[in-house]
Amino acid sequence: SAVISQKPSRDICQRGTSLTIQCQVDSQVTMMFWYRQQPGQSLTLIATANQGSEATYESGFVIDKFPISRPNLTFSTLTVSNMSPEDSSIYLCSGGDETQYFGPGTRLLVL
Amino acid sequence: TQLLEQSPQFLSIQEGENLTVYCNSSSVFSSLQWYRQEPGEGPVLLVTVVTGGEVKKLKRLTFQFGDARKDSSLHITAAQPGDTGLYLCAGLYNNNDMRFGAGTRLTVKP
Repeated sequence: SAVISQKPSRDICQRGTSLTIQCQVDSQVTMMFWYRQQPGQSLTLIATANQGSEATYESGFVIDKFPISRPNLTFSTLTVSNMSPEDSSIYLCSGGDETQYFGPGTRLLVL
Repeated sequence: TQLLEQSPQFLSIQEGENLTVYCNSSSVFSSLQWYRQEPGEGPVLLVTVVTGGEVKKLKRLTFQFGDARKDSSLHITAAQPGDTGLYLCAGLYNNNDMRFGAGTRLTVKP
């Protein structure tokens, strides 16, 4: 198993600003993913964070809006850029090999 | 496009009743995971199934993986209020593509 931590756990931001979310895994993992989740709903995959190369984005998500870094096998960041109220959501990272383990999420409110 | 069909979307039952949640796909999974999520927390892994026809039991929870590895079910016996939460199935395709079902919001009333 893997233990995932995320920072910050929650934030309130002004529109037009950017927020970087950090995800730390307690062991080296092959795959890391970033998701968005509206309260009570399922998870929407934003992108796969690839170590040593550019992230792979899902349809509807672009690098300019959600730049992702993955400098090593235990750490990744997701930036939500030029935020608008529509970006208010829960952002989750996961890590693992065949089985994915999740962080507790970052609750973002954009005013 | 939702590759996984999860049903039902909502389920409200009385304590002591049984229930089954289904997860279906037209594609073959490398593996399938079931998660449970409570408000304010991330999804917590319940089980991973890998082999077609596999059955796993976790106390009152029984997980089945279809023979063709395209479907799975979660059965809860004698549900308790503590089982309340969002249940998510997630299928791993091609060893690096994980897709989630829409989720089943379960409420167990005392």
